[in-house]
Amino acid sequence: QQQVKQSPQSLIVQKGGISIINCAYENTAFDYFPWYQQFPGKGPALLIAIRPDVSEKKEGRFTISFNKSAKQFSLHIMDSQPGDSATYFCAASPRGGKSTFGDGTTLTVKP
Amino acid sequence: EPEVTQTPSHQVTQMGQEVILRCVPISNHLYFYWYRQILGQKVEFLVSFYNNEISEKSEIFDDQFSVERPDGSNFTLKIRSTKLEDSAMYFCASRTGHQNTGELFFGEGSRLTVL
Repeated sequence: QQQVKQSPQSLIVQKGGISIINCAYENTAFDYFPWYQQFPGKGPALLIAIRPDVSEKKEGRFTISFNKSAKQFSLHIMDSQPGDSATYFCAASPRGGKSTFGDGTTLTVKP
Repeated sequence: EPEVTQTPSHQVTQMGQEVILRCVPISNHLYFYWYRQILGQKVEFLVSFYNNEISEKSEIFDDQFSVERPDGSNFTLKIRSTKLEDSAMYFCASRTGHQNTGELFFGEGSRLTVL
């Protein structure tokens, strides 16, 4: 019940395209859903996060869509750029509890 | 900008040896974590620490690991009797005590290579 399932494992997108990464969870106690971006040799860094009281959150080119009834959330990267090439992790945590991470998606944006 | 710092950045050790990884969390943060990431794999939770005690730990934690906060700034992970499969990146993370955010701030990691 603690798992967070993430797909796809890898994604190749042309510059200017839309990148979409999906995650699903089971634990209804989760109430914080962040996306982390990780470049090679670096630690994960928070990109954007959402709580279940809203269905969408947008920050610049990055949008989280959240479907509470389906227990799914997704990251959309609009106008994808080569500099967005990185590994993306979704995560989920209950209030005050540990974050459980998805398996990660390696995004490659081709120029 | 405050950051989580970790040392060493890379450590090579022989199988069976003990290793200590060090972390300095962000100064006003109250929750501290260790995660590890085997090359190319997911970020795996090891332990969380709050108010000078472990608040959660993974199933594998007690087998080989221990944590300490020996002073007001450092947070250490000790790995006893290292095995080849312990080779990984170990990340320290911290967060504030505010309930309205769960954002984790990660250090750059300590790469452990067990030979």
